[in-house]
Amino acid sequence: DTAVSQTPKYLVTQMGNDKSIKCEQNLGHDTMYWYKQDSKKFLKIMFSYNNKELIINETVPNRFSPKSPDKAHLNLHINSLELGDSAVYFCASSAQGPTMADTQYFGPGTRLTVL
Amino acid sequence: TQLLEQSPQFLSIQEGENLTVYCNSSSVFSSLQWYRQEPGEGPVLLVTVVTGGEVKKLKRLTFQFGDARKDSSLHITAAQPGDTGLYLCAGDYGQNFVFGPGTRLSVLP
Repeated sequence: DTAVSQTPKYLVTQMGNDKSIKCEQNLGHDTMYWYKQDSKKFLKIMFSYNNKELIINETVPNRFSPKSPDKAHLNLHINSLELGDSAVYFCASSAQGPTMADTQYFGPGTRLTVL
Repeated sequence: TQLLEQSPQFLSIQEGENLTVYCNSSSVFSSLQWYRQEPGEGPVLLVTVVTGGEVKKLKRLTFQFGDARKDSSLHITAAQPGDTGLYLCAGDYGQNFVFGPGTRLSVLP
């Protein structure tokens, strides 16, 4: 059983489109996260979401919006995609948090390519 | 300027050799973690260190947190091809945490 799953695995789309990436965790965790890993493998946190409290990295454009229908899901919606959005996006969850003292479990990633 | 620096950026060694990779910052972290990431997968947590000077061992891997909680090292003894991957350190300061750029390790058989 996959603890943190993401769909799709690969997403190729045109500039200007709107797309969503889905994330689900079956660990019963309270906090979920979205990360962006660029071509140089630099992993940056975008959002953490805990009990309806959203903490946003101030560098994230407002074209990105996380949506949580329930505690087990945190989907990432991206409006007006740009070339620079091409990256691998990782979802993660932790039992408590958001703090790194709490173990984070990462999904397998979604590779987004914007043409 | 990155909050966390890792060195070396790339490391290629022969099976059986020992190696040390480093994670450095000018900031004090309340905790620091090491992850390993393999191609096409998400990072997997190896260890969390919290106390300055703390040393933790995980089989052939030894992790040390600096006394001032600004740096950390990962030492691998008798490296094996299965150790190949991207090693990331991540630091926690309050409700913010950052990842380093990683060290890409390749262990050749």
